[in-house]
Amino acid sequence: DTAVSQTPKYLVTQMGNDKSIKCEQNLGHDTMYWYKQDSKKFLKIMFSYNNKELIINETVPNRFSPKSPDKAHLNLHINSLELGDSAVYFCASSSRGQVQNYEQYFGPGTRLTVT
Amino acid sequence: AQTVTQSQPEMSVQEAETVTLSCTYDTSENNYYLFWYKQPPSRQMILVIRQEAYKQQNATENRFSVNFQKAAKSFSLKISDSQLGDTAMYFCAFMGPDDTGTASKLTFGTGTRLQVTL
Repeated sequence: DTAVSQTPKYLVTQMGNDKSIKCEQNLGHDTMYWYKQDSKKFLKIMFSYNNKELIINETVPNRFSPKSPDKAHLNLHINSLELGDSAVYFCASSSRGQVQNYEQYFGPGTRLTVT
Repeated sequence: AQTVTQSQPEMSVQEAETVTLSCTYDTSENNYYLFWYKQPPSRQMILVIRQEAYKQQNATENRFSVNFQKAAKSFSLKISDSQLGDTAMYFCAFMGPDDTGTASKLTFGTGTRLQVTL
């Protein structure tokens, strides 16, 4: 009964490849996020979707494309991978507009290594 | 833009002792939310405690409590009776008022690595 799940947990790939990371939440939340944690452990927001609509799009290369097929899923596709894309990518979810439940619940993270 | 500063990259505490982690932030908002997240070696992000800016009372969760000073924009975390399992990275995070989409993002500090020793 995992709340926020991500697949895969580890991903090793070569430069120039295209890869996807999937995220699913079973909490009934309406908002989902992608965060990137770099090698120095710094966490930064990349994207957010609310009810399948993109609401946050930080300064991220357009090689990164999020897709939300429904409220429970948010995928991240990365084209033409570069060495600098190596990081841990976290998915999170929350319910907006509900005073008691604005906390963000995080998935286990996907460690992406580009060689 | 909001910023969050954690000025202690690393801290160490002995088991059963008390430790305080510092966090300051900068914002022009009046209503917002503050959080402390814990990231153990397993890398899972775990919410430790949260504070609503409109509440004057400091939040507490068992051995964890905060000292929220709104005027000073300070939000420190106190861990009492430290346990070995508290060893982790601790991140302070800010979230703006939930009236615009961009406000719902978490802005994190750079983290404090806490080591609990015997």
